[in-house]
Amino acid sequence: DTEVTQTPKHLVMGMTNKKSLKCEQHMGHRAMYWYKQKAKKPPELMFVYSYEKLSINESVPSRFSPECPNSSLLNLHLHALQPEDSALYLCASSQERGGTEAFFGQGTRLTVV
Amino acid sequence: GQNIDQPTEMTATEGAIVQINCTYQTSGFNGLFWYQQHAGEAPTFLSYNVLDGLEEKGRFSSFLSRSKGYSYLLLKELQMKDSASYLCAVRGDNQGGKLIFGQGTELSVKP
Repeated sequence: DTEVTQTPKHLVMGMTNKKSLKCEQHMGHRAMYWYKQKAKKPPELMFVYSYEKLSINESVPSRFSPECPNSSLLNLHLHALQPEDSALYLCASSQERGGTEAFFGQGTRLTVV
Repeated sequence: GQNIDQPTEMTATEGAIVQINCTYQTSGFNGLFWYQQHAGEAPTFLSYNVLDGLEEKGRFSSFLSRSKGYSYLLLKELQMKDSASYLCAVRGDNQGGKLIFGQGTELSVKP
């Protein structure tokens, strides 16, 4: 099983809403990532978790709040987003931070209105 | 600085072979990845190179030369479904697992 599962697949939210994106993997991977991807652009790293601890925050605004409840789950809590935050949000995982394979989930298409 | 270059677009014919090049300049090097991404979908892992040489996986092969900061992805027996964006990504040293992506190469396969 090389699957990373993200929910929801699509999300529309208002600028005053609070929502959460969820990511799950059962490959025993100890590193998990959040990426943001705008149309026709490559993915941009947001956060890296290693062994359930935040190891990298790429200067992401505080309206994005990651959480890693356990080694299989990764959440991204959203609050007071702006329309320019609309993008595809991708979760990825790898065996370790230096793993030889890194798998992406299908992504959540987020639209902020 | 960190820089990864790959061609923006390429066109090839069904059944043919195409080579997508990637050059990189990064702070250290700890592996190079190739991903395939169809429009509106997530990237799919294709290959990983950390040592010089060629890695073959079915119709797809990936080559790395660390001394030249160069990699290519070779796609053989092209099929229409291979039309997609191909992303080259590098993991530098002490990057905590961070992948730095190139802008992607949009490949169009024509009949």
